[in-house]
Amino acid sequence: DAGVTQSPTHLIKTRGQQVTLRCSPKSGHDTVSWYQQALGQGPQFIFQYYEEEERQRGNFPDRFSGHQFPNYSSELNVNALLLGDSALYLCASSPLSHGSEQYFGPGTRLTVT
Amino acid sequence: GENVEQHPSTLSVQEGDSAVIKCTYSDSASNYFPWYKQELGKRPQLIIDIRSNVGEKKDQRIAVTLNKTAKHFSLHITETQPEDSAVYFCAASLKRSSNTGKLIFGQGTTLQVKP
Repeated sequence: DAGVTQSPTHLIKTRGQQVTLRCSPKSGHDTVSWYQQALGQGPQFIFQYYEEEERQRGNFPDRFSGHQFPNYSSELNVNALLLGDSALYLCASSPLSHGSEQYFGPGTRLTVT
Repeated sequence: GENVEQHPSTLSVQEGDSAVIKCTYSDSASNYFPWYKQELGKRPQLIIDIRSNVGEKKDQRIAVTLNKTAKHFSLHITETQPEDSAVYFCAASLKRSSNTGKLIFGQGTTLQVKP
């Protein structure tokens, strides 16, 4: 049984570009949350998807958007990249029917130059 | 707004000693409190959690206590081992029946266990 998976592992982009990160939740999970973790800090909540809709959103600008597919996998899109967007992007999935626990994927390390 | 304060930021103990990490949360409605361990370059790993209707929970060498009145919760690790060395994060969340609550994380504690 695979856990939460994310792709790609690493990514280098230039300021102003756009990026798409992908997440596949753990089997039996239907809710996906995305977090941004800057170096040396705790993860910060970006948004959460359930039933293909954004259900909750943190304090991130509209440049950050997402999508959830019928198979529960999810994408995070960031437009007009800034240097400050460089971080580890973590995806977490939760069990069916709004389980409390969130299990994290390995993350995508995004570097913006 | 919602906030979680975590102390200390670094903690160094001798192997076999106990380690305690403390967190304070601001939103009194929070009802779910997980702890994550993150080793260098790896994903945060859920190690223990507690819900607001429970005051203490134990799992082998780790335990978590919750004081709802004071809005404090703590992680206790006994008989520490070198493999316990990592960054530990506390988090707080408001879990409703209609959603999986967003996690508000503390700043992290770097625990070093010296052999």
